[in-house]
Amino acid sequence: GQQVMQIPQYQHVQEGEDFTTYCNSSTTLSNIQWYKQRPGGHPVFLIQLVKSGEVKKQKRLTFQFGEAKKNSSLHITATQTTDVGTYFCAGHGDYKLSFGAGTTVTVRA
Amino acid sequence: DTGVSQDPRHKITKRGQNVTFRCDPISEHNRLYWYRQTLGQGPEFLTYFQNEAQLEKSRLLSDRFSAERPKGSFSTLEIQRTEQGDSAMYLCASSLGVATEAFFGQGTRLTVV
Repeated sequence: GQQVMQIPQYQHVQEGEDFTTYCNSSTTLSNIQWYKQRPGGHPVFLIQLVKSGEVKKQKRLTFQFGEAKKNSSLHITATQTTDVGTYFCAGHGDYKLSFGAGTTVTVRA
Repeated sequence: DTGVSQDPRHKITKRGQNVTFRCDPISEHNRLYWYRQTLGQGPEFLTYFQNEAQLEKSRLLSDRFSAERPKGSFSTLEIQRTEQGDSAMYLCASSLGVATEAFFGQGTRLTVV
C-alpha cells in the first residue's frame, strides 16, 4: 500500500534561519498536499501540488513537487516563532489521503 | 456552516465499553474521512466515505471499529469493547471531491482507562 515518509522528524531552528523538510512516497501520487498542525490543534491545509516539477510559494514558504511525483519538499526562509508546529505532507494515490509522520518544528528565539 | 464539527471533544471510558463519535462535515462536501492520531504521529487513515458509500477501510482497523454515514450527511464512528490501545485523537475531515483540500474537525480525544 501507499506509504508516505517525512524527514526529519524534528527540526530545531534558530529564529531567522532557513530549513527544509522532505516527503517521499512509495508510489506515484496524483497530487500532494501540505498541512500544518499547531500544538493542541488540528491539521490545517496549506497547499496542494498537482503537476510534475511544480513549485509554489506562500510568502516565506516554498513547496516543490518532484518530477516523478513521488517526493516533495517544503522550504521555509527566515523562520519565525509563528512557524512553530508540525508540518505534514499527505499524498493522494489510490483515492485516500495518506499522511506522513510529520516534521515538528521548534524555534529558538 | 462554520466547518467540520465533532462530538464529543473528549471521552473517557472504561476498558470494554463501547463508544460512538459523531462528525458533521461541511454541508456540501461529499467526501468524509476518519483518521486516528497518537502523540508524535501523523493522522492514520481509518476509513472514508463518498456520500453514503464507505469506499475504503484500513486493513489496520479491527472488527471492533465500524463507521456509518447514513444519507451521506453526518457520520458516526463506533468502537466496541474498547482497549487501552484505542486511546488516541480521532479526527474527522471532509472535502468537496477527489484531490481537494480536506477540512479537519477539532477531533475527539478518547482515553480508555
